[in-house]
Amino acid sequence: QKEVEQNSGPLSVPEGAIASLNCTYSDRGSQSFFWYRQYSGKSPELIMFIYSNGDKEDGRFTAQLNKASQYVSLLIRDSQPSDSATYLCAVTPYSGYSTLTFGKGTMLLVSP
Amino acid sequence: GAGVSQSPRYKVTKRGQDVALRCDPISGHVSLYWYRQALGQGPEFLTYFNYEAQQDKSGLPNDRFSAERPEGSISTLTIQRTEQRDSAMYRCASSLSSRGSSNTGELFFGEGSRLTVL
Repeated sequence: QKEVEQNSGPLSVPEGAIASLNCTYSDRGSQSFFWYRQYSGKSPELIMFIYSNGDKEDGRFTAQLNKASQYVSLLIRDSQPSDSATYLCAVTPYSGYSTLTFGKGTMLLVSP
Repeated sequence: GAGVSQSPRYKVTKRGQDVALRCDPISGHVSLYWYRQALGQGPEFLTYFNYEAQQDKSGLPNDRFSAERPEGSISTLTIQRTEQRDSAMYRCASSLSSRGSSNTGELFFGEGSRLTVL
């Protein structure tokens, strides 16, 4: 059973702070890792993907991957109230393959 | 439209009835996926197609669930003899292709079809 584990939260941070979201996965063969954001009542949308160990930065977002520890994280700098959403971690055993196994998601609340 | 379109957006049915959920992917997207999302959970993979070929149906819960994409575009997910446990949001997603370095693996999700079985 391939599993993706996330703390369901909510994770509460003040505006301007760094939000750190974590995810672990069970399948050592996982190759591609994704973070999707889902606003309440809306569909998930991709915000970051990472394939290689290390950090990948895109604006205020940084994805971190450690395959040896089977751990992937998402950092959001200068958090804004508009970042309040559920963040879904997803993995797949293939490069660029879209049959994803999702975690339950972590709810992030950014207070003004 | 530019996005993935699903219909109906809401479906209420009685236990034992059959339902058909429709998905119209983004034009030009080769791959089409069906996911199911329960409240408070992440999407759960059901099945996917490349063009008209069903490549993987390992996520379909049982033989009451089936899907087709006969012309490689619009897809229909059919649930026969619905049960209360089938109640969920059914999400369709599409992507440019299923594999390849040119594909980030990004899925574009539709707004979903919320199924309620009474």
